[in-house]
Amino acid sequence: SQTIHQWPATLVQPVGSPLSLECTVEGTSNPNLYWYRQAAGRGLQLLFYSVGIGQISSEVPQNLSASRPQDRQFILSSKKLLLSDSGFYLCAWSVRDITDTQYFGPGTRLTVL
Amino acid sequence: GENVEQHPSTLSVQEGDSAVIKCTYSDSASNYFPWYKQELGKRPQLIIDIRSNVGEKKDQRIAVTLNKTAKHFSLHITETQPEDSAVYFCAATFYNNNDMRFGAGTRLTVKP
Repeated sequence: SQTIHQWPATLVQPVGSPLSLECTVEGTSNPNLYWYRQAAGRGLQLLFYSVGIGQISSEVPQNLSASRPQDRQFILSSKKLLLSDSGFYLCAWSVRDITDTQYFGPGTRLTVL
Repeated sequence: GENVEQHPSTLSVQEGDSAVIKCTYSDSASNYFPWYKQELGKRPQLIIDIRSNVGEKKDQRIAVTLNKTAKHFSLHITETQPEDSAVYFCAATFYNNNDMRFGAGTRLTVKP
């Protein structure tokens, strides 16, 4: 069966520091991968999605970037964190495209101080 | 801004009553509509979904209805239980942006 992992589970970072969040999927090949952010008490905002290695689409211009160095690995990064980057970051995968069910990872709770 | 509107934002019902959450979407080409349940501090979990070639789908106490003409779909939970308390999100595919958009969520509270 398929499994999706995210780490770290929680992170507290000072403003201006770098960020690296990792997501890996097991049990499937060539998945579509997604990064979402959820602010406290809010809905899900799509940040990036990837249909293959090295292929990244950005939905919201910001100080975050994403990379997909391997088929089942998706990384979210920032060179300098802002206070507004605080939130719950969720990685998700699907078998094919947006018409397919997305399954979410356990998430990373990021607090920027 | 969000292209999927979800109502109500909060909903409180007595145990055993029914709960209905409604969503509207703007892209007439949308053809996949999942519903997710998110408990506090946890990941969203898919509870039911529907595709545009179907008008209604049921799974035990949960059902989803879709009206393509009006571009709205609804989640129905019958015989609610305290463990149904959570935030529920609807979503719809958006072909103009090649992605899926989520509603803002409904916080459902089931009082015992």
